[in-house]
Amino acid sequence: AQKVTQAQTEISVVEKEDVTLDCVYETRDTTYYLFWYKQPPSGELVFLIRRNSFDEQNEISGRYSWNFQKSTSSFNFTITASQVVDSAVYFCALTSFSGGYNKLIFGAGTRLAVHP
Amino acid sequence: ETGVTQSPTHLIKTRGQQVTLRCSSQSGHNTVSWYQQALGQGPQFIFQYYREEENGRGNFPPRFSGLQFPNYSSELNVNALELDDSALYLCASSRGTGGGTDTQYFGPGTRLTVL
Repeated sequence: AQKVTQAQTEISVVEKEDVTLDCVYETRDTTYYLFWYKQPPSGELVFLIRRNSFDEQNEISGRYSWNFQKSTSSFNFTITASQVVDSAVYFCALTSFSGGYNKLIFGAGTRLAVHP
Repeated sequence: ETGVTQSPTHLIKTRGQQVTLRCSSQSGHNTVSWYQQALGQGPQFIFQYYREEENGRGNFPPRFSGLQFPNYSSELNVNALELDDSALYLCASSRGTGGGTDTQYFGPGTRLTVL
């Protein structure tokens, strides 16, 4: 069975602090994809990053960085120098090509509150 | 490029009624997926449509049904509404063959409240 676990329910930081959101996944597939989405209060899920199971290179995009470690089945997300606009719920998700269709399996989400 | 749009934004229904939610996919996308997100939880996959056919379904009863139209827009229909159907319903569109792993882009959602 496939599963995504985001153990941190809520995180509260002060602006300019660095924060890491944890994501652990389970899958038996050898080819799979991992995602992070951001959900601001408006409700829309905003795509942040997609990573395939064969690419373990870490990625940096501005203040955002992602650490993919297949050995520990983790795909963690770090925000450097957090800002109030980063306040949102962040979801980690997993998908694989099985059964002929593509469904996302989401974790329960981590609510990040960045205070001025 | 137009993103994914959904209508209506909010909806209030009573138990036992039926509801139809609508989604227009992003330009160039031919696959639509629907998700249900209960308060405080992650989205749960309902089903996916590709070329006007349902090609995958999650653990939802048959009273959840859908359609996809030739222009790739889609509807989600829920019959015999129950209180537990109260949730945010999210539509996502993606490019590709329907069986691939293309990135899904989400709309703003429809907030359904069942009284």
